Amino acid sequence: KNQVEQSPQSLIILEGKNCTLQCNYTVSPFSNLRWYKQDTGRGPVSLTIMTFSENTKSNGRYTATLDADTKQSSLHITASQLSDSASYICVVSAGASKIIFGSGTRLSIRP
Amino acid sequence: EAGVAQSPRYKIIEKRQSVAFWCNPISGHATLYWYQQILGQGPKLLIQFQNNGVVDDSQLPKDRFSAERLKGVDSTLKIQPAKLEDSAVYLCASSLASGTFRDTQFFGPGTRLTVL
Repeated sequence: KNQVEQSPQSLIILEGKNCTLQCNYTVSPFSNLRWYKQDTGRGPVSLTIMTFSENTKSNGRYTATLDADTKQSSLHITASQLSDSASYICVVSAGASKIIFGSGTRLSIRP
Repeated sequence: EAGVAQSPRYKIIEKRQSVAFWCNPISGHATLYWYQQILGQGPKLLIQFQNNGVVDDSQLPKDRFSAERLKGVDSTLKIQPAKLEDSAVYLCASSLASGTFRDTQFFGPGTRLTVL
């Protein structure tokens, strides 16, 4: 069964600190993996996309990694800012026609 | 570039009533998606259109939900009659061309539906 699991479910950190969010998936055949950021009351916005051959992708203070062997991905946020408070959703595409969303990690940045 | 537009932003109805949501995708985007996002969960795909044809509606509860995309641009999603468990945010997204999930999807702000 195609599944995407994220951890932790929620996370609170202080402004300026780093954090890492995890995504484990069992999806076949793997096509690509995306991380989305969803601000409260808004639609998700794509942060990164990685295919099978890519193991690191950066977007500013966001760095995503992918280990296709262990079927794990992580999203690392450096020097967190208050505006990073949001839900982060891991999304895996299976082939060309299936897309599986994780439940997201709710991140809160405290001043 | 204008983003994906949705209306209304909020809707409160009583169970067994009907409701309709509207989506205007980014200009030139051939593929349009409707998602249901229940609080605390990731979005669930309801239906995918490629131009005005349906690509995937396998998770659409067809006894009460319907969607159309006339002329391959705007789309409406209707629920008739609504149930309490339909309370959720309904997200519309669009992508450029291929209709596969290799394209980046751009999401609208969503419509928050509350069924009382």
